[in-house]
Amino acid sequence: GAVVSQHPSRVICKSGTSVKIECRSLDFQATTMFWYRQFPKKSLMLMATSNEGSKATYEQGVEKDKFLINHASLTLSTLTVTSAHPEDSSFYICSAEKLAGGNYNEQFFGPGTRLTVL
Amino acid sequence: AQSVSQHNHHVILSEAASLELGCNYSYGGTVNLFWYVQYPGQHLQLLLKYFSGDPLVKGIKGFEAEFIKSKFSFNLRKPSVQWSDTAEYFCAVNALAGANNLFFGTGTRLTVIP
Repeated sequence: GAVVSQHPSRVICKSGTSVKIECRSLDFQATTMFWYRQFPKKSLMLMATSNEGSKATYEQGVEKDKFLINHASLTLSTLTVTSAHPEDSSFYICSAEKLAGGNYNEQFFGPGTRLTVL
Repeated sequence: AQSVSQHNHHVILSEAASLELGCNYSYGGTVNLFWYVQYPGQHLQLLLKYFSGDPLVKGIKGFEAEFIKSKFSFNLRKPSVQWSDTAEYFCAVNALAGANNLFFGTGTRLTVIP
């Protein structure tokens, strides 16, 4: 199997505080993980690509100082939303890439984290 | 840049009706194509994928999709839906020339009425 977990599943925080979201690949190693943000009735938008042992690659328009990504091990990537504001409220989803050979490595998705900033 | 369009935002069907969800992408190069399903309260799951070969691919739970290169389309079909198919369906594209990123459509919510 290929299971990806996220913690917490829901978090409510006050404006100005920081929130850390964890993404773990439970039964495989992932050198690459992805962080997505999903707005209501919208698609998943790729925020950044998290690479184990190196800096994350951010998509255009995503503030790297606000959304800190750390991929310290082959099974864990964290996303920290710093100085959160109400507009950061969203559903954050991670995926982990499982190596399979060929021209594409399948991504397996976590269950998502609902962030609400008051 | 790649983009993916899903024109049906919400589809409501009765059980046993046939389903077709549209997906079009814009990218001139070679692509990998995917359909993901998200059941209520659950995470995204891969329904089926197309990499190469037979353009008609079969996935889990009786779903299939056809890649029509000339139309840049990858429509999802199921001949007879069930109430348990109620979910959100996302089409996604990966460009072989780029990184392993997935670009998603906006999703189609399917409601199946018993």
